[in-house]
Amino acid sequence: AQTVTQSQPEMSVQEAETVTLSCTYDTSESDYYLFWYKQPPSRQMILVIRQEAYKQQNATENRFSVNFQKAAKSFSLKISDSQLGDAAMYFCAYRSYPYLGGGADGLTFGKGTHLIIQP
Amino acid sequence: DVKVTQSSRYLVKRTGEKVFLECVQDMDHENMFWYRQDPGLGLRLIYFSYDVKMKEKGDIPEGYSVSREKKERFSLILESASTNQTSMYLCASSFLGSGGSVAQYFGPGTRLLVL
Repeated sequence: AQTVTQSQPEMSVQEAETVTLSCTYDTSESDYYLFWYKQPPSRQMILVIRQEAYKQQNATENRFSVNFQKAAKSFSLKISDSQLGDAAMYFCAYRSYPYLGGGADGLTFGKGTHLIIQP
Repeated sequence: DVKVTQSSRYLVKRTGEKVFLECVQDMDHENMFWYRQDPGLGLRLIYFSYDVKMKEKGDIPEGYSVSREKKERFSLILESASTNQTSMYLCASSFLGSGGSVAQYFGPGTRLLVL
């Protein structure tokens, strides 16, 4: 079974600065997907960014980027130019590769990092 | 935009009651999921379904059942609610496939309190 670990229960950053959230995972699989989800106080879980394990290039989405280190099983999220709206719980998640006929698999989540943005 | 809706945002039930949580998605997704979210534990998978009338147990299925009679609707059933089922319940859906389509899209959640 896969496990996902987020070692930082809470992080704080000044507005406009950069913050990095850590995530490590354990798996014996070679193909998989990794995700970062954001859950603001309104509770709607929102997909922030995704990474396919077979891609060496790190994914980026505007101010959000990841540092994917497959050998180290590390998947950190960097938020540049932090904004007040970035304040939320951030969850790292893992999904096995959906091979043909494999049906569905749920996501395995870390316990989350609470990100505080200081004005 | 993908839309996943859940029938209630807040629900209060008594111990022993039968509870139905409904989830509907409008993107023709094959896969649907139910998670529960508890502070300090993150999200844990209860059940999922990859087709109508198909269901698979997740990590914590005990005390729950599910129903999927139509592709767009996935129900979570607490046969006899207990206080330890007080939690936030999140529904999600995704396409059956590879690539970016494996991303799951979540509903707003139902906060259930069992007294």
